[in-house]
Amino acid sequence: DADVTQTPRNRITKTGKRIMLECSQTKGHDRMYWYRQDPGLGLRLIYYSFDVKDINKGEISDGYSVSRQAQAKFSLSLESAIPNQTALYFCATSQTGVNQPQHFGDGTRLSIL
Amino acid sequence: GNSVTQMEGPVTLSEEAFLTINCTYTATGYPSLFWYVQYPGEGLQLLLKATKADDKGSNKGFEATYRKETTSFHLEKGSVQVSDSAVYFCALRSYSGGGADGLTFGKGTHLIIQP
Repeated sequence: DADVTQTPRNRITKTGKRIMLECSQTKGHDRMYWYRQDPGLGLRLIYYSFDVKDINKGEISDGYSVSRQAQAKFSLSLESAIPNQTALYFCATSQTGVNQPQHFGDGTRLSIL
Repeated sequence: GNSVTQMEGPVTLSEEAFLTINCTYTATGYPSLFWYVQYPGEGLQLLLKATKADDKGSNKGFEATYRKETTSFHLEKGSVQVSDSAVYFCALRSYSGGGADGLTFGKGTHLIIQP
């Protein structure tokens, strides 16, 4: 089983709809992250969380919100989806420490028509 | 602030060729350096890391050496295979110089290996 699981893997929806992407982890890491990936732009951080009570905005948080329901669960919501939010979304986790790498899920491919 | 610069590609090589993907960084403090690989349809996976100057990270035939004097962490492999076709990301982590939770990624290098 994957250590970082994202659901759904693919989603097609319409402009204006509310969408939730979910992430769960079995690694026991405190830190969790949401990124989006667009061709030519690399990874851009949307939100990150150090624990259930600590949520931080990333580089591109406008139009997104998150919820850290438990140490193992971190959800990303698009309240009213728009076409330029079409992208590949990744959840990641990490332990605390400058020498700690991140561990990524397999991504959610989101298309907004 | 911190930054990572890598060649964007695509880089196209023949099977068994020697590979170098350049990565240079700007950082304050003492960053750790990472290479991640992303295969088609998958998330990023840690390929190797180095946490201090002159350390060499290695995995699956890939190597990279942390060069503080040239602020570089170039990825090398002696003989590439078709299965190495992927996108490679150079990254650093440092709690000095900014970046959310100290994390800074390059934009990725798309590597294509032809048989």
